[in-house]
Amino acid sequence: DVKVTQSSRYLVKRTGEKVFLECVQDMDHENMFWYRQDPGLGLRLIYFSYDVKMKEKGDIPEGYSVSREKKERFSLILESASTNQTSMYLCASSLYGRRKNYGYTFGSGTRLTVV
Amino acid sequence: SQQGEEDPQALSIQEGENATMNCSYKTSINNLQWYRQNSGRGLVHLILIRSNEREKHSGRLRVTLDTSKKSSSLLITASRAADTASYFCATDLNYGGATNKLIFGTGTLLAVQP
Repeated sequence: DVKVTQSSRYLVKRTGEKVFLECVQDMDHENMFWYRQDPGLGLRLIYFSYDVKMKEKGDIPEGYSVSREKKERFSLILESASTNQTSMYLCASSLYGRRKNYGYTFGSGTRLTVV
Repeated sequence: SQQGEEDPQALSIQEGENATMNCSYKTSINNLQWYRQNSGRGLVHLILIRSNEREKHSGRLRVTLDTSKKSSSLLITASRAADTASYFCATDLNYGGATNKLIFGTGTLLAVQP
């Protein structure tokens, strides 16, 4: 069963900590994405990557960075966690191609609480 | 505001009834997709409709797309309690790259009463 795996289901961190959220996919997808989901705001794109070591900013990249050293792994980094980064974080992957008619496969999400 | 906005925000129906959700968007799209999210979980891809298609079916799901009105609808027929979830539309914009960057709406919360 192909899937996207996020390393933690729930995470509690302190303000100022450096936080790593890991995402691994086993579908050989080129594209990987990080979204955050907040009530009333839907899903907002933080960063995405279309290849190893490539990354592009999404709509809300401030306070975050990403790393893609291997095709299957895409990490989201909160350099100095703040309480306004308390959220549900969702990782997704998809195929890459000019036709672009591909759906995303999502992980189960990581609910991060910053205290 | 969001590229995709669903209507209604919440919908409560009885088992066996049909559920219709609508999505409006603002700019030109490559395709439009619908996803389901069970409480506190990740999203599951349901169906994709391309910009040159007008209607698509998948099991009990029927999706329509009207590019002139920049709107789409998702119909779930003969609903079941297990259909209770949030439903999101997502638009794949023609932004030029080969990566399909999806913009999600805020979702419709569907409750199907047994």
